[in-house]
Amino acid sequence: TQLLEQSPQFLSIQEGENLTVYCNSSSVFSSLQWYRQEPGEGPVLLVTVVTGGEVKKLKRLTFQFGDARKDSSLHITAAQPGDTGLYLCAGATGGGNKLTFGTGTQLKVEL
Amino acid sequence: DAGVIQSPRHEVTEMGQEVTLRCKPISGHDYLFWYRQTMMRGLELLIYFNNNVPIDDSGMPEDRFSAKMPNASFSTLKIQPSEPRDSAVYFCASTLGGRGGNYGYTFGSGTRLTVV
Repeated sequence: TQLLEQSPQFLSIQEGENLTVYCNSSSVFSSLQWYRQEPGEGPVLLVTVVTGGEVKKLKRLTFQFGDARKDSSLHITAAQPGDTGLYLCAGATGGGNKLTFGTGTQLKVEL
Repeated sequence: DAGVIQSPRHEVTEMGQEVTLRCKPISGHDYLFWYRQTMMRGLELLIYFNNNVPIDDSGMPEDRFSAKMPNASFSTLKIQPSEPRDSAVYFCASTLGGRGGNYGYTFGSGTRLTVV
């Protein structure tokens, strides 16, 4: 069983601050995805990274896949209240379509 | 496309009763997944289908749980008999098969199940 540990588990910050969320595993993944989930809804895909060392940017969000494809990070610049939610990383192995989800990071951005 | 449709949104039932959760995936998606989410255990994969065929049901907790996909546009997850520890949010997700799961999942809004 592949485990994806996320840190921190909870994060409460003020609007305008920067933050980084980490996703770590001892397993190698063929691809890794990040999702955001808001209360009462299902997770929504933010990005997919597939190449070791890859960096993708989505407005104020920057995603990085580790060189060894075992870890990833999500950096948010100048956080806004709309960024509040549960952030989940998810990894696929062996070219398959089955995803293992991380433990989640609950982010709250306050005014 | 209306996305992945789940019903009901909320279900409250008494212990011992049968519960059926329903899911309509996105048209054209060939993979369907059932997940359970709790505060303690996060998102857990219960079972998934490819082209309507169950591929991996190793996450189904007990024989009380069963899932079917009679056609490409409909799947059910049944719990019989239900127990209080089954209380959770159950999600259905679908995707178009690709190498490494690159296409990402589309999730439904979930069914919040409470067993009293």
